[in-house]
Amino acid sequence: DAGVIQSPRHEVTEMGQEVTLRCKPISGHNSLFWYRQTMMRGLELLIYFNNNVPIDDSGMPEDRFSAKMPNASFSTLKIQPSEPRDSAVYFCASMTGGTDTQYFGPGTRLTVL
Amino acid sequence: AQKITQTQPGMFVQEKEAVTLDCTYDTSDPSYGLFWYKQPSSGEMIFLIYQGSYDQQNATEGRYSLNFQKARKSANLVISASQLGDSAMYFCAMRGLNTGNQFYFGTGTSLTVIP
Repeated sequence: DAGVIQSPRHEVTEMGQEVTLRCKPISGHNSLFWYRQTMMRGLELLIYFNNNVPIDDSGMPEDRFSAKMPNASFSTLKIQPSEPRDSAVYFCASMTGGTDTQYFGPGTRLTVL
Repeated sequence: AQKITQTQPGMFVQEKEAVTLDCTYDTSDPSYGLFWYKQPSSGEMIFLIYQGSYDQQNATEGRYSLNFQKARKSANLVISASQLGDSAMYFCAMRGLNTGNQFYFGTGTSLTVIP
């Protein structure tokens, strides 16, 4: 079975540019989570969806960040405009209530110059 | 409020020895799940083991076991017969089963296995 798929795996961009990160959850999973990991702040939950509906976006840093889940098999996290302090590894994870366990994607390493 | 505490920033263990990584938690939810994840230097987050708050027995998965002490609110991970490949960051996490799907993660423990 395919796990959580994220793209791109690495992204290098310049300050001010728009960045879009993509995630495909495990088929059948109805909850999707976006995390950010940095050395300074550790693993932070940005937003999570249940059945494609955003439930808690209190972790989204500011208006420059937005996330969508147009269907059960795809989600995006967008940063516009990007800033150097957004440099981090962004993880997507999915779960279903049956397994009660989150499974993580490989992450996207974002570098904003 | 839900909180996970990992007090050991770094641990060392001799190869083939056992090691215990500490995790304490706080929650007002009577039903909850406890999880451990491994993050090697390659960066991926790997699910290791799960313990439900009403499970009577401690969870085990191969060389991993979870020492669950409900009264002490602790969920320590025990790795037996350590291998060099066990060197990684280890994260403890919790989910309150009556308070939504959000997971709460600890700050992690860095484990180094010495040959």
